[in-house]
Amino acid sequence: KNEVEQSPQNLTAQEGEFITINCSYSVGISALHWLQQHPGGGIVSLFMLSSGKKKHGRLIATINIQEKHSSLHITASHPRDSAVYICAAPINMEYGNKLVFGAGTILRVKS
Amino acid sequence: GAGVSQSPSNKVTEKGKDVELRCDPISGHTALYWYRQSLGQGLEFLIYFQGNSAPDKSGLPSDRFSAERTGGSVSTLTIQRTQQEDSAVYLCASSLSSGNTIYFGEGSWLTVV
Repeated sequence: KNEVEQSPQNLTAQEGEFITINCSYSVGISALHWLQQHPGGGIVSLFMLSSGKKKHGRLIATINIQEKHSSLHITASHPRDSAVYICAAPINMEYGNKLVFGAGTILRVKS
Repeated sequence: GAGVSQSPSNKVTEKGKDVELRCDPISGHTALYWYRQSLGQGLEFLIYFQGNSAPDKSGLPSDRFSAERTGGSVSTLTIQRTQQEDSAVYLCASSLSSGNTIYFGEGSWLTVV
């Protein structure tokens, strides 16, 4: 079992829909990253959060450290939101934190 | 530039040849990661450097893979005797320290023919 699990693996939505992507992790962490990878493109960091909620434009990320769960929401989705969304948890090692990635959620928003 | 720089951006090599992939992290970043992503697959952890500590090599798939980080800055990932299954995008990322926002390079696309 992966230490970081994402769901769903694939998601197709109509433009304008509210989208939720979930991430659960099995180890104790202090923060979690959400990343975005466009087709053929690089990876960019969307959020790093350790508690509560963060908002950037139409993107909202929430985390519940006790329940080991985080969600990424996209409001008023648009075709340009089509990408792979990845959550990553820093697993504490003796010398620092190693990032463990979820498998990613492939999002396709249709117009 | 200000971001993580990787070279080459594309590499086609013959099976059995050695390849070197280079990563220039953002200046001052102590944490450096190598990942690879095969076509249609998720990110696979390879190796992690944190400051002057011994690297975490637990993700390297075989002894044909090795990586160095000189002077706490530039890193080189070396693949010896390449195989077709090594074809993938090799991604480098860095962060100020292990608990900060992570920044990815554009990746090195490796094709072994």
